[in-house]
Amino acid sequence: DAGVIQSPRHEVTEMGQEVTLRCKPISGHDYLFWYRQTMMRGLELLIYFNNNVPIDDSGMPEDRFSAKMPNASFSTLKIQPSEPRDSAVYFCASIRTTERLPFFGQGTRLTVV
Amino acid sequence: AQSVSQHNHHVILSEAASLELGCNYSYGGTVNLFWYVQYPGQHLQLLLKYFSGDPLVKGIKGFEAEFIKSKFSFNLRKPSVQWSDTAEYFCAVNARDSSYKLIFGSGTRLLVRP
Repeated sequence: DAGVIQSPRHEVTEMGQEVTLRCKPISGHDYLFWYRQTMMRGLELLIYFNNNVPIDDSGMPEDRFSAKMPNASFSTLKIQPSEPRDSAVYFCASIRTTERLPFFGQGTRLTVV
Repeated sequence: AQSVSQHNHHVILSEAASLELGCNYSYGGTVNLFWYVQYPGQHLQLLLKYFSGDPLVKGIKGFEAEFIKSKFSFNLRKPSVQWSDTAEYFCAVNARDSSYKLIFGSGTRLLVRP
């Protein structure tokens, strides 16, 4: 398996624009997590899904953030409108509960100017 | 709620020095414990993990960690660091009864001087 795949790897956008980050989890994994990493706040859990269903989105910072998982092989994290303070690295991770080991994608580095 | 504390935010060592990074977690149930490393500008890489069994676990690159249940600790060690170990190290915890969400410590930045 190719691992957790995130796209794009880098995104630079202007304030106010919509940004969509994408994640393909490892096949067979039943949990998917979105994390944000910043210097100030470290690694924060934003939202996670179990079998494509959102379980806990309490970490989503504002209504400008939304996440979907339309099927077992794809998830998106959308920011609309984006703001400079959203600049961060966004990581996606997936887990197969029988194995308990999280696998991380390489992250998307988002810069909002 | 689960939480993870890493006591050392910045550590500076000379090559060949020994390393120990502290990690304590707060959770009453059965946990899985992890150490991740992040080299500058790169993604998270798993160093080692503990699920059950022998509390002394060995990972990649000569790292090891010891789970001490009574102290809720999972400290990371390496007998002799190298310049290439310069990175940020994260301790993390998840548990079955919290849906396996991985909670991270704040990280420790290690600088190894040649």
